[in-house]
Amino acid sequence: GAVVSQHPSWVICKSGTSVKIECRSLDFQATTMFWYRQFPKQSLMLMATSNEGSKATYEQGVEKDKFLINHASLTLSTLTVTSAHPEDSSFYICSARPTGDEQYFGPGTRLTVT
Amino acid sequence: GENVEQHPSTLSVQEGDSAVIKCTYSDSASNYFPWYKQELGKRPQLIIDIRSNVGEKKDQRIAVTLNKTAKHFSLHITETQPEDSAVYFCAASKGSNYQLIWGAGTKLIIKP
Repeated sequence: GAVVSQHPSWVICKSGTSVKIECRSLDFQATTMFWYRQFPKQSLMLMATSNEGSKATYEQGVEKDKFLINHASLTLSTLTVTSAHPEDSSFYICSARPTGDEQYFGPGTRLTVT
Repeated sequence: GENVEQHPSTLSVQEGDSAVIKCTYSDSASNYFPWYKQELGKRPQLIIDIRSNVGEKKDQRIAVTLNKTAKHFSLHITETQPEDSAVYFCAASKGSNYQLIWGAGTKLIIKP
């Protein structure tokens, strides 16, 4: 149980275009979903916290107009990277929290912006 | 805000020996302390966690200890095996928002 999927697993896009990443909890309802980015050999950096039906809460330094988060249902959250630039290239990971403390992670999306 | 420090950044041990990774946290309100294992290019996987009302928890070769007074917690892996090689992250959170504050990670290398 507690499976989280993420799609796509990798994507290459051109600078200036937008990319949407989906995060789904497959066998549970997620009270909260979190979006992280991770650079090589670094720790996970929390970008935003998302509750179903509410606006996402963004961490300091994360541009909400650039990283659009939509948590439309208890099993789906999407992250859209708008007007992507090469510096947005990273590993994006979502996690989902059913109830309580535990978070379950998606497999991640490798974004490369050329 | 909360800060989690993790040491060492790299740990190399002989297969069969034990490995210990240590973390300290700053916010005394933190009450949940998970440990994650991440292999290259993969998702973090929860390997063990501990809550603030418990001092120690064990699961086969893996154990975690928590010292609330000193605000530190440690991961212990005994009888290490090659498949234990990975990056390990500690984290801390509190029930108000469930956000995980992450340590910087420890690269564990098991030498055959």
